[in-house]
Amino acid sequence: DGGITQSPKYLFRKEGQNVTLSCEQNLNHDAMYWYRQDPGQGLRLIYYSQIVNDFQKGDIAEGYSVSREKKESFPLTVTSAQKNPTAFYLCASSVRLAGTGGEQFFGPGTRLTVL
Amino acid sequence: AQSVTQLGSHVSVSEGALVLLRCNYSSSVPPYLFWYVQYPNQGLQLLLKYTTGATLVKGINGFEAEFKKSETSFHLTKPSAHMSDAAEYFCAVTLVGNQFYFGTGTSLTVIP
Repeated sequence: DGGITQSPKYLFRKEGQNVTLSCEQNLNHDAMYWYRQDPGQGLRLIYYSQIVNDFQKGDIAEGYSVSREKKESFPLTVTSAQKNPTAFYLCASSVRLAGTGGEQFFGPGTRLTVL
Repeated sequence: AQSVTQLGSHVSVSEGALVLLRCNYSSSVPPYLFWYVQYPNQGLQLLLKYTTGATLVKGINGFEAEFKKSETSFHLTKPSAHMSDAAEYFCAVTLVGNQFYFGTGTSLTVIP
């Protein structure tokens, strides 16, 4: 089955620790995205990538970092610089960057809680 | 700049009643439009999309939406609500070469 997987589903972090959220897709999509979801605020874009070894900041990139070494993988690191990291994180992919009419496909999400 | 407005963060309907979730966008040219559904602690699932052609779009689970350029709207409807429709619904837009922009979501409650 083609799709997007995210791991872990739940993640707990102590303050001051960096954590990495995994996102893998086997849809052969060029573009991948990371969103943060907080209650009542919808989805906010953290980073996106159009192609391997290239990525751009979204609206709320501060305190986050990403890499795109392989087409299938787009991990997100939440650093200790992110002051309020507790949230639900969603990874998505699309055939290519927005504008061709194609939709985004979403993973199941990772819920990060800072203790 | 693009933006998406979903009027009503919470909507309640009785089982069997009409579902109407509103979405308006701001764009100087017609965008591509999407509706997604999200169940608790899950990712988003595409309900339907409008790209070009027929302005009335049918999606999964009996939902449909109509693109109205004159009103810059893309409201989502379903003739008869089912308990399983209770979820969060997001409208999204995009233009050529741009990102996806999501509304803040509408939580649908279905009352038995």
